[in-house]
Amino acid sequence: NAGVTQTPKFRVLKTGQSMTLLCAQDMNHEYMYWYRQDPGMGLRLIHYSVGEGTTAKGEVPDGYNVSRLKKQNFLLGLESAAPSQTSVYFCASSVPLQGRRTGELFFGEGSRLTVL
Amino acid sequence: AQSVTQPDIHITVSEGASLELRCNYSYGATPYLFWYVQSPGQGLQLLLKYFSGDTLVQGIKGFEAEFKRSQSSFNLRKPSVHWSDAAEYFCAVGAGGTDKLIFGTGTRLQVFP
Repeated sequence: NAGVTQTPKFRVLKTGQSMTLLCAQDMNHEYMYWYRQDPGMGLRLIHYSVGEGTTAKGEVPDGYNVSRLKKQNFLLGLESAAPSQTSVYFCASSVPLQGRRTGELFFGEGSRLTVL
Repeated sequence: AQSVTQPDIHITVSEGASLELRCNYSYGATPYLFWYVQSPGQGLQLLLKYFSGDTLVQGIKGFEAEFKRSQSSFNLRKPSVHWSDAAEYFCAVGAGGTDKLIFGTGTRLQVFP
């Protein structure tokens, strides 16, 4: 059971380039999330999805797009990378509890992105 | 809006000493509360969670946390710290009717032998 898998784990981009981070989970979870982690700022939610075909903005969505075409996959895209997007990105998934609230999050190991 | 504050950015303790990491939340109703641990270069692992019921919850690795509604706190404790506990610890809050968690900025724990 792999849990939550992120690819790639490391990537270096030049300013203006585009890329996609892939998150895959094999736990049949409804909810999926993309966070970024920066020193001193904890984890900040970029976008999330409460089901296949649905996405929503989090705290820091600007400069990112997402898609959830399949329940098990959640893609995070950077259309035109900027140095401010240098960060560690974490994907997570969870199951909803009663009352449309999220339970425990299961995290991937992270993807370190550097934008030069 | 809900929020989480972890007042201590960095804590250093000696191995064998007791530990308490502070977490304060802001939310009108009863929140769901979580503590996660992150070892260097790793993702986050759940230590424990509080949804309802007994306000003292036990977690993995000998950790416990106490929910205090009057103080809007959910502090993490361990009676005797091991060198392997050195990591970053995150408190998170969720709430009924919301489908996401909000994380604190984390507390980095250093353990000296």
